[in-house]
Amino acid sequence: AQSVTQLGSHVSVSEGALVLLRCNYSSSVPPYLFWYVQYPNQGLQLLLKYTTGATLVKGINGFEAEFKKSETSFHLTKPSAHMSDAAEYFCAVSVMEYGNKLVFGAGTILRVKS
Amino acid sequence: SQTIHQWPATLVQPVGSPLSLECTVEGTSNPNLYWYRQAAGRGLQLLFYSVGIGQISSEVPQNLSASRPQDRQFILSSKKLLLSDSGFYLCAWSAGTRNTGELFFGEGSRLTVL
Repeated sequence: AQSVTQLGSHVSVSEGALVLLRCNYSSSVPPYLFWYVQYPNQGLQLLLKYTTGATLVKGINGFEAEFKKSETSFHLTKPSAHMSDAAEYFCAVSVMEYGNKLVFGAGTILRVKS
Repeated sequence: SQTIHQWPATLVQPVGSPLSLECTVEGTSNPNLYWYRQAAGRGLQLLFYSVGIGQISSEVPQNLSASRPQDRQFILSSKKLLLSDSGFYLCAWSAGTRNTGELFFGEGSRLTVL
């Protein structure tokens, strides 16, 4: 069965510093992987996705993630944090079976300090 | 373009009262539809998903039910709410064909059971 583990329920960085949010997955088949962002009391917005092909994936708002099969990881990074990046971030793996379902990690709340 | 709408946005209900949350998708046909629940600090839990009219799969046994009376309408219901039903409910859709895995989320409905 597919599963996702996000290391660190809370991450705090200074404005302008590197953002690194960690995600490890478990999947019995080649995975589709996703990062979503959620602002307070809103739905989830897709940041980026990996399906096949290039393992370094670029998304919106300057975020990118690298699929590393050997490490079963899909960490999210951004070179320079902005105050507007403060939100909760979810990593997810797709179960492409009957319909398709996403299994989400528990989420990481990113705090950006000025 | 495709859009997804959920209502009501917020709801405060007494224990034992009924519940009906509605979700509609526009701009696509035969989508896969989903209900997720987000409890504080617990990530997203898939409650129900549907690949077509009248086809509902339940992921966890609970006090809730779902129905899909029309292709682009998904309803979450309860006959008698429990305190534990409080949470943030998110409806989502994905493409029924040529699916690349991602889900698109509505803005959410916050339910407080008192």
